Amino acid sequence: EAGVAQSPRYKIIEKRQSVAFWCNPISGHATLYWYQQILGQGPKLLIQFQNNGVVDDSQLPKDRFSAERLKGVDSTLKIQPAKLEDSAVYLCASSLALGSQASYNSPLHFGNGTRLTVT
Amino acid sequence: GNSVTQMEGPVTLSEEAFLTINCTYTATGYPSLFWYVQYPGEGLQLLLKATKADDKGSNKGFEATYRKETTSFHLEKGSVQVSDSAVYFCALRKNTGGFKTIFGAGTRLFVKA
Repeated sequence: EAGVAQSPRYKIIEKRQSVAFWCNPISGHATLYWYQQILGQGPKLLIQFQNNGVVDDSQLPKDRFSAERLKGVDSTLKIQPAKLEDSAVYLCASSLALGSQASYNSPLHFGNGTRLTVT
Repeated sequence: GNSVTQMEGPVTLSEEAFLTINCTYTATGYPSLFWYVQYPGEGLQLLLKATKADDKGSNKGFEATYRKETTSFHLEKGSVQVSDSAVYFCALRKNTGGFKTIFGAGTRLFVKA
């Protein structure tokens, strides 16, 4: 099966600029996640979708970050304006629909991530 | 709240040495537990999992047992290879509510030939 696709692979921007990341999950995976991974730390959940609805965005800095998943498939994550502390790898992941019996054994499938450098 | 604590790295071993990476968790209820591995320049990928107490997950010579009494899920391998050099993340997923997956900080492993 095709994996989770993310683009771009790398992005360098100046602070106060805007940036967008794109993710295409594994076909049939209803749940999509965006994680932020700062160097030397574990991934931190930013937002979690089930189909095109938001399940959890409690750790998303909503004053500058936004995400959407129109039509319940692809997703974009945007930062506007960027700050120096946003430098990180942004990981997209997908999994089977939450709450189903199958989901208890279903791991997250990650893309290769987008490395963002804010200067 | 729910959390995962891993031993700090880096861990440096010689090839064929025994590996243990400690992981303990704090959670209400009965979470599922996972180990993910991240090779340089790649995203995380599942290494093994366990969904209930006393389950043993295993893959590629790695093993971990879900110990509810000690809230632990330590990763072990009897004989490491250079190709095992990577960052290892312990994670838990609540199986209620938002089904959030929470990761530890990761442990970097270097294996020398």
